[in-house]
Amino acid sequence: DVKVTQSSRYLVKRTGEKVFLECVQDMDHENMFWYRQDPGLGLRLIYFSYDVKMKEKGDIPEGYSVSREKKERFSLILESASTNQTSMYLCASSAGEVGQPQHFGDGTRLSIL
Amino acid sequence: KQEVTQIPAALSVPEGENLVLNCSFTDSAIYNLQWFRQDPGKGLTSLLLIQSSQREQTSGRLNASLDKSSGRSTLYIAASQPGDSATYLCAVTLYNNNDMRFGAGTRLTVKP
Repeated sequence: DVKVTQSSRYLVKRTGEKVFLECVQDMDHENMFWYRQDPGLGLRLIYFSYDVKMKEKGDIPEGYSVSREKKERFSLILESASTNQTSMYLCASSAGEVGQPQHFGDGTRLSIL
Repeated sequence: KQEVTQIPAALSVPEGENLVLNCSFTDSAIYNLQWFRQDPGKGLTSLLLIQSSQREQTSGRLNASLDKSSGRSTLYIAASQPGDSATYLCAVTLYNNNDMRFGAGTRLTVKP
């Protein structure tokens, strides 16, 4: 089974801090994704990556950046955290072919105070 | 821009009932459609994936249908059980890439 592991289940940070969310997958998947999930809005794509050192903006990239130095690891960075970034963050991975199912981690619930 | 809508937002049924969850999407140029289950505080678990050329997929008590031309999908759950209580999300993969669009979900409660 595919395993997608997010480093923290719960995280509390302060406004202005630089925050790192880490995601690791063990299936050698080419594609990795970061979403945020808010009540009534569903999942919205922040960034995704098709390969090492490659990244593409999703629908809501403002205030975020990403890093993919190794194939198995995809990091989401909040450069200067703000209260409106309080949310559930979900990481996913999929094999490289178009339309392959995405496999999700358990999520990180981030609170910015 | 692709919009995905799920109706109803919440549903409560007694145990044993058959039920239908609805998903609609505005652009029929999709690669596939996927139904997920999400338990409180958890990530998403894939239930069924329907390719754009398929009409339905079945797994146990679950049956998902797809009518691409009308932009609709349904998830049918037979003989519901309290363990089915969760939020169910549908998502479409946009044609020719791996970008997915999600609905906001239907929160299902099955009462014993």
